[in-house]
Amino acid sequence: AQSVTQLDSHVSVSEGTPVLLRCNYSSSYSPSLFWYVQHPNKGLQLLLKYTSAATLVKGINGFEAEFKKSETSFHLTKPSAHMSDAAEYFCVVSEWAGKSTFGDGTTLTVKP
Amino acid sequence: GAGVSQSPSNKVTEKGKDVELRCDPISGHTALYWYRQSLGQGLEFLIYFQGNSAPDKSGLPSDRFSAERTGGSVSTLTIQRTQQEDSAVYLCASSFGGVRNEQFFGPGTRLTVL
Repeated sequence: AQSVTQLDSHVSVSEGTPVLLRCNYSSSYSPSLFWYVQHPNKGLQLLLKYTSAATLVKGINGFEAEFKKSETSFHLTKPSAHMSDAAEYFCVVSEWAGKSTFGDGTTLTVKP
Repeated sequence: GAGVSQSPSNKVTEKGKDVELRCDPISGHTALYWYRQSLGQGLEFLIYFQGNSAPDKSGLPSDRFSAERTGGSVSTLTIQRTQQEDSAVYLCASSFGGVRNEQFFGPGTRLTVL
Protein backbone atom coordinates (compact mmCIF):
# COMPACT_ATOMS: atom_id res chain seq x y z
CA ALA A 1 0.00 0.00 0.00
CA GLN A 2 1.13 3.52 -0.67
CA SER A 3 0.89 6.52 1.59
CA VAL A 4 2.37 9.97 1.88
CA THR A 5 2.92 12.23 4.87
CA GLN A 6 3.61 15.92 4.63
CA LEU A 7 5.30 16.68 7.88
CA ASP A 8 4.27 20.33 8.16
CA SER A 9 0.78 21.66 7.62
CA HIS A 10 2.05 25.25 7.61
CA VAL A 11 5.45 26.74 6.77
CA SER A 12 6.25 30.43 7.04
CA VAL A 13 9.41 31.98 5.60
CA SER A 14 10.66 35.46 4.85
CA GLU A 15 11.09 36.57 1.27
CA GLY A 16 14.58 35.71 0.04
CA THR A 17 15.16 32.89 2.53
CA PRO A 18 15.22 29.16 1.70
CA VAL A 19 12.12 27.03 1.52
CA LEU A 20 11.90 23.43 2.75
CA LEU A 21 8.65 21.47 2.51
CA ARG A 22 8.98 17.94 3.85
CA CYS A 23 7.40 14.80 2.45
CA ASN A 24 7.81 11.18 3.47
CA TYR A 25 6.25 8.32 1.56
CA SER A 26 5.57 4.65 1.92
CA SER A 27 5.42 2.31 -1.04
CA SER A 28 5.75 -1.40 -1.70
CA TYR A 29 7.13 -0.79 -5.16
CA SER A 30 9.25 1.76 -6.95
CA PRO A 31 6.90 4.70 -6.95
CA SER A 32 6.67 7.86 -8.93
CA LEU A 33 6.57 10.99 -6.82
CA PHE A 34 5.18 14.39 -7.66
CA TRP A 35 4.84 17.85 -6.16
CA TYR A 36 1.87 19.98 -7.18
CA VAL A 37 1.13 23.58 -6.26
CA GLN A 38 -2.28 25.16 -5.82
CA HIS A 39 -2.47 28.93 -5.74
CA PRO A 40 -5.56 30.50 -4.19
CA ASN A 41 -8.60 30.09 -6.42
CA LYS A 42 -6.51 28.41 -9.09
CA GLY A 43 -6.12 24.86 -10.31
CA LEU A 44 -3.41 22.40 -9.34
CA GLN A 45 -0.20 22.67 -11.33
CA LEU A 46 2.69 20.23 -11.54
CA LEU A 47 5.93 21.53 -10.03
CA LEU A 48 8.13 18.51 -10.64
CA LYS A 49 8.17 14.72 -10.74
CA TYR A 50 10.46 11.80 -9.98
CA THR A 51 10.09 8.67 -12.08
CA SER A 52 13.24 6.60 -11.29
CA ALA A 53 15.71 8.62 -13.31
CA ALA A 54 17.91 11.24 -11.62
CA THR A 55 17.29 11.46 -7.88
CA LEU A 56 17.62 15.25 -7.87
CA VAL A 57 14.73 16.66 -9.80
CA LYS A 58 14.43 20.25 -10.95
CA GLY A 59 11.05 21.82 -11.50
CA ILE A 60 9.49 25.10 -12.42
CA ASN A 61 10.01 28.41 -10.63
CA GLY A 62 13.33 27.36 -9.12
CA PHE A 63 12.00 24.47 -7.06
CA GLU A 64 13.78 21.15 -6.77
CA ALA A 65 13.35 17.92 -4.84
CA GLU A 66 15.61 15.04 -3.97
CA PHE A 67 14.43 11.44 -3.89
CA LYS A 68 16.08 9.60 -0.99
CA LYS A 69 15.09 5.96 -0.97
CA SER A 70 16.92 5.17 2.26
CA GLU A 71 14.97 7.88 4.06
CA THR A 72 11.76 7.41 2.03
CA SER A 73 11.68 11.15 1.56
CA PHE A 74 11.03 13.57 -1.27
CA HIS A 75 11.48 17.01 0.24
CA LEU A 76 10.83 20.14 -1.83
CA THR A 77 13.30 23.01 -1.66
CA LYS A 78 13.94 26.43 -3.12
CA PRO A 79 16.99 28.58 -2.36
CA SER A 80 15.15 31.90 -2.17
CA ALA A 81 11.44 32.39 -1.60
CA HIS A 82 9.39 34.88 -3.58
CA MET A 83 6.08 36.38 -2.53
CA SER A 84 4.48 34.61 -5.48
CA ASP A 85 5.44 31.23 -3.97
CA ALA A 86 2.74 31.58 -1.32
CA ALA A 87 0.37 28.69 -2.03
CA GLU A 88 -0.67 25.18 -1.00
CA TYR A 89 1.77 22.41 -1.93
CA PHE A 90 0.87 18.74 -2.30
CA CYS A 91 3.20 15.75 -2.35
CA VAL A 92 1.86 12.79 -4.32
CA VAL A 93 2.92 9.17 -4.56
CA SER A 94 1.84 6.84 -7.33
CA GLU A 95 2.69 3.15 -7.54
CA TRP A 96 -0.34 1.95 -9.41
CA ALA A 97 -1.71 3.44 -12.57
CA GLY A 98 -4.64 5.51 -11.40
CA LYS A 99 -3.91 5.19 -7.71
CA SER A 100 -2.29 8.46 -6.77
CA THR A 101 -2.28 9.30 -3.09
CA PHE A 102 -2.11 12.96 -2.14
CA GLY A 103 -0.67 14.31 1.07
CA ASP A 104 -2.76 16.65 3.19
CA GLY A 105 -0.89 19.66 1.86
CA THR A 106 1.46 22.29 3.24
CA THR A 107 0.48 25.92 3.24
CA LEU A 108 3.46 28.13 2.46
CA THR A 109 3.34 31.72 3.68
CA VAL A 110 5.99 34.18 2.50
CA LYS A 111 6.51 37.27 4.62
CA PRO A 112 7.88 40.47 3.10
CA GLY B 1 -4.51 23.10 -26.86
CA ALA B 2 -7.27 23.46 -24.33
CA GLY B 3 -6.82 22.17 -20.84
CA VAL B 4 -9.23 20.17 -18.72
CA SER B 5 -12.55 21.94 -18.38
CA GLN B 6 -15.28 21.38 -15.82
CA SER B 7 -18.81 22.59 -15.57
CA PRO B 8 -20.50 24.14 -13.78
CA SER B 9 -17.87 26.10 -11.89
CA ASN B 10 -20.25 26.52 -8.98
CA LYS B 11 -23.33 24.56 -8.01
CA VAL B 12 -25.67 25.28 -5.14
CA THR B 13 -28.31 22.68 -4.45
CA GLU B 14 -30.74 21.66 -1.77
CA LYS B 15 -30.28 18.60 0.36
CA GLY B 16 -31.83 15.57 -1.27
CA LYS B 17 -31.49 16.78 -4.85
CA ASP B 18 -29.37 15.04 -7.48
CA VAL B 19 -26.47 16.84 -9.19
CA GLU B 20 -24.36 16.14 -12.25
CA LEU B 21 -20.85 17.44 -12.67
CA ARG B 22 -19.14 17.39 -16.04
CA CYS B 23 -15.50 17.01 -17.04
CA ASP B 24 -13.96 17.47 -20.49
CA PRO B 25 -10.43 16.03 -20.48
CA ILE B 26 -7.52 17.00 -22.66
CA SER B 27 -7.86 15.48 -26.10
CA GLY B 28 -5.78 12.32 -26.44
CA HIS B 29 -5.59 11.63 -22.73
CA THR B 30 -6.66 8.08 -21.97
CA ALA B 31 -6.94 8.37 -18.21
CA LEU B 32 -9.45 10.44 -16.27
CA TYR B 33 -9.68 10.93 -12.51
CA TRP B 34 -12.18 12.44 -10.11
CA TYR B 35 -11.17 13.82 -6.72
CA ARG B 36 -12.91 15.63 -3.91
CA GLN B 37 -11.28 18.42 -1.94
CA SER B 38 -12.97 19.56 1.23
CA LEU B 39 -12.11 22.91 2.78
CA GLY B 40 -8.51 22.92 3.96
CA GLN B 41 -8.03 19.26 3.13
CA GLY B 42 -6.01 17.28 0.65
CA LEU B 43 -7.43 15.53 -2.35
CA GLU B 44 -9.59 12.45 -1.84
CA PHE B 45 -9.51 10.00 -4.73
CA LEU B 46 -12.97 9.06 -6.00
CA ILE B 47 -12.75 7.18 -9.29
CA TYR B 48 -10.38 6.46 -12.17
CA PHE B 49 -11.03 5.62 -15.83
CA GLN B 50 -8.37 4.20 -18.14
CA GLY B 51 -9.25 3.59 -21.76
CA ASN B 52 -11.88 0.89 -22.13
CA SER B 53 -11.01 -0.85 -18.87
CA ALA B 54 -13.48 -1.13 -16.04
CA PRO B 55 -13.19 1.96 -13.86
CA ASP B 56 -11.59 1.85 -10.43
CA LYS B 57 -14.45 2.93 -8.17
CA SER B 58 -12.71 2.15 -4.91
CA GLY B 59 -12.75 5.76 -3.73
CA LEU B 60 -16.46 6.45 -4.10
CA PRO B 61 -17.72 7.21 -0.56
CA SER B 62 -21.20 5.74 -0.97
CA ASP B 63 -23.59 4.28 -3.53
CA ARG B 64 -25.06 7.76 -3.98
CA PHE B 65 -21.98 8.55 -6.05
CA SER B 66 -21.52 7.27 -9.59
CA ALA B 67 -19.59 8.30 -12.67
CA GLU B 68 -19.47 7.42 -16.30
CA ARG B 69 -17.24 8.24 -19.19
CA THR B 70 -18.78 8.29 -22.61
CA GLY B 71 -16.78 7.49 -25.73
CA GLY B 72 -13.54 7.56 -23.81
CA SER B 73 -13.79 11.33 -23.44
CA VAL B 74 -16.29 13.36 -21.44
CA SER B 75 -17.12 12.19 -17.93
CA THR B 76 -20.05 12.90 -15.65
CA LEU B 77 -19.99 12.51 -11.88
CA THR B 78 -23.47 12.10 -10.43
CA ILE B 79 -24.37 12.53 -6.78
CA GLN B 80 -27.85 11.38 -5.84
CA ARG B 81 -29.81 12.59 -2.82
CA THR B 82 -27.11 15.09 -1.90
CA GLN B 83 -26.18 15.61 1.73
CA GLN B 84 -24.52 18.59 3.38
CA GLU B 85 -21.32 16.61 3.84
CA ASP B 86 -21.07 16.35 0.06
CA SER B 87 -20.20 20.05 -0.06
CA ALA B 88 -16.68 20.30 -1.47
CA VAL B 89 -14.72 21.15 -4.59
CA TYR B 90 -14.81 18.31 -7.10
CA LEU B 91 -11.71 18.14 -9.25
CA CYS B 92 -11.23 16.29 -12.49
CA ALA B 93 -7.86 15.42 -13.98
CA SER B 94 -6.65 13.66 -17.10
CA SER B 95 -3.38 12.13 -18.21
CA PHE B 96 -1.80 9.77 -20.71
CA GLY B 97 -2.17 7.08 -18.07
CA GLY B 98 0.45 5.04 -16.30
CA VAL B 99 2.36 5.68 -13.15
CA ARG B 100 4.89 8.13 -14.56
CA ASN B 101 2.67 10.62 -16.31
CA GLU B 102 1.47 13.68 -14.48
CA GLN B 103 -2.15 14.59 -14.17
CA PHE B 104 -3.56 17.81 -15.58
CA PHE B 105 -6.28 19.27 -13.42
CA GLY B 106 -9.38 21.20 -14.25
CA PRO B 107 -10.46 24.27 -12.26
CA GLY B 108 -12.99 22.26 -10.25
CA THR B 109 -16.68 22.50 -9.44
CA ARG B 110 -17.55 24.00 -6.08
CA LEU B 111 -20.61 22.17 -4.77
CA THR B 112 -22.62 23.62 -1.92
CA VAL B 113 -25.46 21.61 -0.45
CA LEU B 114 -27.85 23.67 1.65
